[in-house]
Parts: sequence; C-alpha cells; structure tokens
Amino acid sequence: AQSVTQLGSHVSVSEGALVLLRCNYSSSVPPYLFWYVQYPNQGLQLLLKYTSAATLVKGINGFEAEFKKSETSFHLTKPSAHMSDAAEYFCAVEAGAGSYQLTFGKGTKLSVIP
Amino acid sequence: SAVISQKPSRDICQRGTSLTIQCQVDSQVTMMFWYRQQPGQSLTLIATANQGSEATYESGFVIDKFPISRPNLTFSTLTVSNMSPEDSSIYLCSVAATGTIAKNIQYFGAGTRLSVL
Repeated sequence: AQSVTQLGSHVSVSEGALVLLRCNYSSSVPPYLFWYVQYPNQGLQLLLKYTSAATLVKGINGFEAEFKKSETSFHLTKPSAHMSDAAEYFCAVEAGAGSYQLTFGKGTKLSVIP
Repeated sequence: SAVISQKPSRDICQRGTSLTIQCQVDSQVTMMFWYRQQPGQSLTLIATANQGSEATYESGFVIDKFPISRPNLTFSTLTVSNMSPEDSSIYLCSVAATGTIAKNIQYFGAGTRLSVL
C-alpha cells in the first residue's frame, strides 16, 4: 500500500523568499511521484513528475523537486516565491508503474505575503 | 494535454435525491477516473472507468451509491445517489494521458462542488 504525508497544512512565505513544501511517501514498489497544484475553483494541474529517471525534476513555473530514496522524500522547492504561487499543492504517489492509481497527500496551502 | 469539462460546476441538493455529474473530454481517452475531495481533505479515488468494461470501485465505494457510465471514449457520468450531507464534497474526473512523453500523467477537470442539505 502507498501513502503520502505532507508536513504542514498551511505554509506562508514572503514574496521573493524560498518555497519549501515537504512530502514523504511510503511505497511497496519503486514509486512514481507527482506534485499537483490547485488554484481556487480550478482542477488540479501537474507541476512535475518523477518516474525513475533523474532524481532532480524540474517542473513548470520555476518549481523543482528532488527524489531522495534514503529519506523517502520528494520535497517541492522554488527559489523565489511569487504572488501567483498562492494555491494548494498536493503530492501524490502512483501505486505501481503504469497503474495510474494515485494516492494523494492532504495538501499544503501556500500563502505568499507581499 | 486534454481539456476536461465537468457539469455542473456546483449544485445544492436536498437529502435523499440524486445528482448526475458529467465529464466531457476533448479527445479520445481509454482511462477515466472519478475522485472525491471532502472538505479539508485530500483526493480519494472513487473508481476507474474504462470504456467497454464495468467501472472498478475502490474500497469503501459501491456501485449502488456511485453508479458510473462510460458510453464512449470522450464521456463519462458519475451519479451520487440517495444523497446525505456527508456526500457534500468536490467531485473531480480525470483522464490518463496517452503518448510516451505524457505517460503517467492525469489531467483533471475543475470539479463539481456539491452541497447536500
């Protein structure tokens, strides 16, 4: 069985500051990992994915995440926060390569303070 | 990428009634999924709906409560039956991307915000 833990249901950063959203996973098989973003009243949009290639994954809007097997982590970072980054972010793990069955974390709401 | 339209975008319903949510995709896709996002919670997979076969339900979800139709490769419906206030949630459909580059990606609709009184 797979599970995802996102530390911090709500994170606030100042505009221009580093964004760090934490995600730890457990999986009985080599995981595929994803970060999705949800803006108010919208569906989820894929930020980036890890599927066993490079451990440092670059996504859209300047976000990146690093897969660390030893720490079972897949934290999301962005060097400089922008007001438009305010949204809810979800980490997800796929239940076996190609299954498309995603287990999501509870989400982290990011606020950006001007 | 796929463009997904969900209808209705929101609804307020009375206890004991049923609501059918529609999901329309702008391209043919094999795999479609229905999720529930309860207030303050994450997304939980309800079922997988592949065209030409019966929907596969996850633990805790049953066909009598959440019947699903998948008549073709661009459309699906989810019905929330005999609703109670506990069914108040956001319901989202998603589709699995096809192609080598987009492999393993799911695209999501904007969701249907359901309130049951």
